[in-house]
Parts: sequence; structure tokens; C-alpha cells
Amino acid sequence: QKEVEQNSGPLSVPEGAIASLNCTYSDRGSQSFFWYRQYSGKSPELIMSIYSNGDKEDGRFTAQLNKASQYVSLLIRDSQPSDSATYLCAVPPSGTYKYIFGTGTRLKVLA
Amino acid sequence: DVKVTQSSRYLVKRTGEKVFLECVQDMDHENMFWYRQDPGLGLRLIYFSYDVKMKEKGDIPEGYSVSREKKERFSLILESASTNQTSMYLCASLGQGRETQYFGPGTRLLVL
Repeated sequence: QKEVEQNSGPLSVPEGAIASLNCTYSDRGSQSFFWYRQYSGKSPELIMSIYSNGDKEDGRFTAQLNKASQYVSLLIRDSQPSDSATYLCAVPPSGTYKYIFGTGTRLKVLA
Repeated sequence: DVKVTQSSRYLVKRTGEKVFLECVQDMDHENMFWYRQDPGLGLRLIYFSYDVKMKEKGDIPEGYSVSREKKERFSLILESASTNQTSMYLCASLGQGRETQYFGPGTRLLVL
């Protein structure tokens, strides 16, 4: 059974700090990795995708991928109260479109 | 922008009723998905369709069926609703290649 693991949190950070969210996955063949943000009562929305080892930056968000260690992380710089949400990591196993989602990490940014 | 719509945001049904949840996407995506999301359990795949009239079971298909008669539309059917099917139901679509899944707004279903 392929797995995607996240710490459920809550992760509390002060406004302006860097929030670091981590995700590990079990399928070594996975090639695509996604981070979704989900506000309470809403549906998930994509914030980052990453396919290659290393860092990918988009505004205040940076995704980091290490395939050898099988982890992907999301850094949020200058965290804002509006970043308070649950962050889901999604990893499709190799050869399938059936994504496996982690249970999510709840982030609280304290004003 | 990809748009995925779901027929209802909130639904209240009685035990034993047949329930239809409909999902429509406007991006000509081949793949469509139905998930349910419950606190502490995350997103669980119910069914997946990769083409018109084609479907695959997900992790929790029991008590559900699906229909995909047109490419843009994917329906989830609860044959006889039970209280343990009270949940948030999310539809998603995905094009071919390494693209992301796009989600609809969700339907919060309460079965009494």
C-alpha cells in the first residue's frame, strides 16, 4: 500500500516567520509532487507542484524535493494569518493518475 | 481557468434514500475522481473514471456507484444512503500528462 505521511499539527508560527511543512512518501517511482491548501469548509486548491530534485520557488512559497530521501517539503516565508489552513501533500504513484493524499498539516499563523 | 462544479453545496437526505451527486468540468479532461473527506482520515478515493463509460474502484467503493455517460460529467450515486455516508464529497478532474487535479467546491452531505 503506497503511503504519504504528514504531521497533522497544528503547527503554530508567529506572523512573519517561516513555516516549514514536511511530507514523506513510500513509492520510489513517483515523479510528481503537489501541495494543496485547504481552508476550513472549502475544497483543496493547488499552490505548488514540483517534479525535479531541489527547490522551486513561487512568491512566498518554496517547494523542496529530495527523491533519495523520499520527502517533499513546503516553506512559507513571511507567514501571514491568511496562510492559516490545512496543507495537503499529494503524490501519484508511478504509472497511475490516482493520487495519494496525506492527511494534511494544519498551520496556524498567529498575529 | 479550469472550472469544476458540483450540483449541490449542502444536501440533507434520509437513511435509505438514493442520492445523486453530480460533477461537471469544462476543460475536456479525461480523468475524473470522487473523494470523500472526513476529519482525521483525509481524502479517500471512492471511484475514478479515465474515459467515458470507464471507471475504476478506489479505496472505498462500497455503497457507491458512478456513471460517466459524457466526458464532462461524472456522477456519484449512493444506492441506499446510510448515516456513515455523512461526509464532504469532493470531485476532481485531471488532464493527461503531469497536470494537477482540480477540485470542485464540494458537497457536504448529511444523512439522517
